[in-house]
Amino acid sequence: QAQLVESGGGVVQPGRSLRLSCEASGFTFSTSGMHWVRQAPGKGLEWVAFIQYHGGDERYADSVKGRFTISRDNSKNTVYLQMSSLRVEDTALYHCAREGNTRQVGTFDNWGQGTLVTVSS
Amino acid sequence: QSALTQPASVSGSPGQSITISCTGTSSDVGAYNYVSWYQQHPGRAPKLMIYDVTNRPSGVSDRFSGSKSGNTASLTISGLQAEDEADYYCNSYRSSGNVVFGGGTKLTVL
Repeated sequence: QAQLVESGGGVVQPGRSLRLSCEASGFTFSTSGMHWVRQAPGKGLEWVAFIQYHGGDERYADSVKGRFTISRDNSKNTVYLQMSSLRVEDTALYHCAREGNTRQVGTFDNWGQGTLVTVSS
Repeated sequence: QSALTQPASVSGSPGQSITISCTGTSSDVGAYNYVSWYQQHPGRAPKLMIYDVTNRPSGVSDRFSGSKSGNTASLTISGLQAEDEADYYCNSYRSSGNVVFGGGTKLTVL
């Protein structure tokens, strides 16, 4: 059974950096595209970033482009989200999610429980 | 990146059917059959209910169905049950290669 476990969240000041991790198990991680999706408190879902199974294709939401970087280590079954120049509006629960469509079109068939990032002075 | 448009809330009585709409543009919903729907109960991670507009993952009740016409996709829940009360989100692939979500719809079972 696929399982995704996020870590690395916490309280950080505006302008600082933070790296999130998501460890996968129960499926062949090295053949799966992976996403980060966030949800601000009391708000809806917002897609953040995607990385292809081999790491060669990365995509970002306009709201984070140039500040966030997604990466992966297939030897560790882990996907990362490096967040820099953090803003108050980046405060959210960050979920990693597995891409369930071979065309890599944003079908999230497995989700982690999320890790909370709070950006506050 | 504008979100897809969903009604903020819908409601229905047990046994009834409800439909949630998800309106996008010719660059996302209208351009591809890559619309998915997710159910989220409070404090829980979202769960995939429909993918590729009409397909149900294994284990999802056949009371859930999806459709699309032009730039608008729809999720229909028939035989409404108390356990269906949750937030529902649509998403779509976009021509830019990115993904966009709807704002979410709160379903209340009366």
